[in-house]
Amino acid sequence: EVQLVQSGAEVKKPGESLRISCKSSGYTFTNYWLSWVRQMPGKGLEWMGRIDPSDSYTNYSPSFQGHVTISVDKSINTAYLQWSSLKASDTAIFYCARHDLATRPFDYWGQGTLVTVSS
Amino acid sequence: QSMLTQPPSASGTPGQTVTISCSGSSSNIGHDKDVFWYQQLPGSAPKLLIYRNKQRPSGVPDRFSGSKSGATASLVISGLRSEDEADYSCASWDDSLSGVVFGGGTKLTVL
Repeated sequence: EVQLVQSGAEVKKPGESLRISCKSSGYTFTNYWLSWVRQMPGKGLEWMGRIDPSDSYTNYSPSFQGHVTISVDKSINTAYLQWSSLKASDTAIFYCARHDLATRPFDYWGQGTLVTVSS
Repeated sequence: QSMLTQPPSASGTPGQTVTISCSGSSSNIGHDKDVFWYQQLPGSAPKLLIYRNKQRPSGVPDRFSGSKSGATASLVISGLRSEDEADYSCASWDDSLSGVVFGGGTKLTVL
């Protein structure tokens, strides 16, 4: 059974750094791209960027380029989303999602990680 | 940031049929890119409802169906039930973005 299990909710202050995780199981980790998707309170889904776990190649939405970093650790089948300096506007739920196939949307989703940034 | 266009809301009574549209462009749906549909219940993660335009994952009732024509896709929900009340979003790959684009989501209300 394919599962994507994300790390727990976080409460941070503006300017702090953060890394959240997404652990995959039930399939060959390096065979499928993973993406991160943001959902701000009461809003729709926004694609942030994706990574190919086989070679760690990434590409980002222009809306998020330079503000977040996506990475993987193949040894533990885990993907990460990190910020070096959070803003209050980063408050949202973040989902990791597995691509059905390259250049197709997602077939499996993590349960989501709520990130709250407040002073 | 939505690059696919959905109606913000839809509604129907139990037993009725509801159609939700998803309009794209020549860099995504209109460029022969597959459309996926997701159902998101309140407080839950998105769940795959339709993949590759019209395929249903196992466990999804056949009351849900998808189609695509040109740059527009549609999700049809027949025999509407109260438990269908949720947000529905479409998604596709976009060649200009080199990424996934979503519709803004449609909130379905079962009256």
